[in-house]
Amino acid sequence: QVQLVESGGGVVQPGRSLRVSCAASGFTFSNYGMHWVRQAPGKGLEWVAVMWDAGSNKYYADPVKGRFTISRDKSKNTLYLQMNSLRAEDTAVYYCVRSRDYDSSGHSAFDIWGQGTMVTVSS
Amino acid sequence: DIQMTQSPSSVSASVGDRVTITCRASQGISSWLAWYQQKPGKAPKLLIYAASSLQSGVPSRFSGSGSGTDFTLTISSLQPEDFATYYCQQANSFPPWTFGQGTKVEIK
Repeated sequence: QVQLVESGGGVVQPGRSLRVSCAASGFTFSNYGMHWVRQAPGKGLEWVAVMWDAGSNKYYADPVKGRFTISRDKSKNTLYLQMNSLRAEDTAVYYCVRSRDYDSSGHSAFDIWGQGTMVTVSS
Repeated sequence: DIQMTQSPSSVSASVGDRVTITCRASQGISSWLAWYQQKPGKAPKLLIYAASSLQSGVPSRFSGSGSGTDFTLTISSLQPEDFATYYCQQANSFPPWTFGQGTKVEIK
């Protein structure tokens, strides 16, 4: 069945780096845009980054711009989020999310979510 | 960026009640609004897309309406499994994609 499975979360010190991964299965990974969305403990949902299916366009939320990098390996059906210069405010569950587009302008909804991986930034 | 504001922040209701949650966008977003349900410790689940289209597999007691800046999610007859937090999200002007702050539906 259609599935997204995140991995790579953990506890990391402020200023250090971490890479989380998302393994996709059950659908043609290269045909979909993919997002990362995070949720701090007890808080709401915050969009982090997107990479479109063609892989050429990437966008980031302002709080992570210049520190985080989204990438994908089509041969492994895997999405990545490289997080550098981590801060305490980056502590959150990170969800990998599939984008279902409804028209050619990119209007979409987030139709498939992974179970999330927890990233804790603490000394 | 477009700001999304949900009301109420929480609602107490009983099984069988009709529950309505409102979402307001800071500027017009046409009908590009989605609703998600999140249960504790679980990932969000898509319920409604394009303001009023029911995602496959979602019970028909859930419905969405609205366009422009004002939207509603209605649960026609609340079931025990519907106690959760609900989020709206705009998908008209991006990036960024922005979410409302959430509405928690609690047992009365």
